[in-house]
Amino acid sequence: SQELEQSPQSLIVQEGKNLTINCTSSKTLYGLYWYKQKYGEGLIFLMMLQKGGEEKSHEKITAKLDEKKQQSSLHITASQPSHAGTYLCGAVKTSYDKVIFGPGTSLSVIP
Amino acid sequence: DTAVSQTPKYLVTQMGNDKSIKCEQNLGHDTMYWYKQDSKKFLKIMFSYNNKELIINETVPNRFSPKSPDKAHLNLHINSLELGDSAVYFCASSQWGLAGSGELFFGEGSRLTVL
Repeated sequence: SQELEQSPQSLIVQEGKNLTINCTSSKTLYGLYWYKQKYGEGLIFLMMLQKGGEEKSHEKITAKLDEKKQQSSLHITASQPSHAGTYLCGAVKTSYDKVIFGPGTSLSVIP
Repeated sequence: DTAVSQTPKYLVTQMGNDKSIKCEQNLGHDTMYWYKQDSKKFLKIMFSYNNKELIINETVPNRFSPKSPDKAHLNLHINSLELGDSAVYFCASSQWGLAGSGELFFGEGSRLTVL
């Protein structure tokens, strides 16, 4: 089984709607990353969370890490077509560790 | 200037051939990586080099051989290509050590198709 699970697998929303993507780990994490990937392109770093209960925002995207550091949610407010792409969570178990990735959530935003 | 650049972007080849993908980063980072993204978009680490030294070698067939001539370059050579090698290969770098405390910077990917 994969160490990181993401839900939903895919999402189609109307422009202007809010949405949430979840990332769950079977183990306590040192750090949790969120990346965005547009089709045919590399991954773009969005944010990293390290402390239990931490919340960060970048433009209309907010990510939270739960107190146990095993689950994170990514929330997009008032979605726009530019938000479309695949969102991947990545995680490390220690401060000196490779990043493993979840399977990704594909987001489509309909104008 | 592109921070992490990979060449070629597309590669179509026959089974049994040998091919290489090159990666260069101009960020001054110490650590570079190769990730493989399969048809289901699942991204898995293959190798990592820190200052030209191999530090991660996941369970990858020995047909895959990375080479780091200097800390700004990490190449991937694949011998005797198989159908299952078809994927997008991403190069990435991070500032120091492994990426536990920092972000990864990714190249745009090299899409390999084996016929």
